[in-house]
Amino acid sequence: NAGVTQTPKFRVLKTGQSMTLLCAQDMNHEYMYWYRQDPGMGLRLIHYSVGEGTTAKGEVPDGYNVSRLKKQNFLLGLESAAPSQTSVYFCASRTGGVGYTFGSGTRLTVV
Amino acid sequence: DAKTTQPNSMESNEEEPVHLPCNHSTISGTDYIHWYRQLPSQGPEYVIHGLTSNVNNRMASLAIAEDRKSSTLILHRATLRDAAVYYCTTNAGNMLTFGGGTRLMVKP
Repeated sequence: NAGVTQTPKFRVLKTGQSMTLLCAQDMNHEYMYWYRQDPGMGLRLIHYSVGEGTTAKGEVPDGYNVSRLKKQNFLLGLESAAPSQTSVYFCASRTGGVGYTFGSGTRLTVV
Repeated sequence: DAKTTQPNSMESNEEEPVHLPCNHSTISGTDYIHWYRQLPSQGPEYVIHGLTSNVNNRMASLAIAEDRKSSTLILHRATLRDAAVYYCTTNAGNMLTFGGGTRLMVKP
């Protein structure tokens, strides 16, 4: 039981490049979330999904897109990366009535 | 959004109890109170959650005020491995909103 797995763990992008972060969970959870964490700050919600085929915006959605084509996967896309998107990205999942399970994070640097 | 307020930092001695406070005065009646902790360079880790009654698990206890406007996370015997940032949050609208958390320092 791997829990929540994020790939890649590290990435350096040039301004304007695109990339996709993958989050996979093997717990059959309905809800999945993408957060970002800037140095010394708490986590901020980017987008989330309450089930396969559904997505919704969080606090800071601009510059990001998401897709949930399969229940176990939640993809976060950056179409044109900017230095302001340099951050650590965390994925989380949960099912009703229990706590959230977080991945170990993706450290993204945009130069 | 139910906002939470926590002290920026707290200090404890090893093997002593720690009480971490949190205010959530705008919480609605159906929102659960969640606590997570984050060690350096790791993702947040679930600690405990509750709605109205006090809750206990192997990691900690959660004491919830009768009016639900505040709660306290209790670590019964702090160890060096408990040094982390502790986040109090509520599950309003099917999402967790994080504040700055409390940095707990544990002295040997």
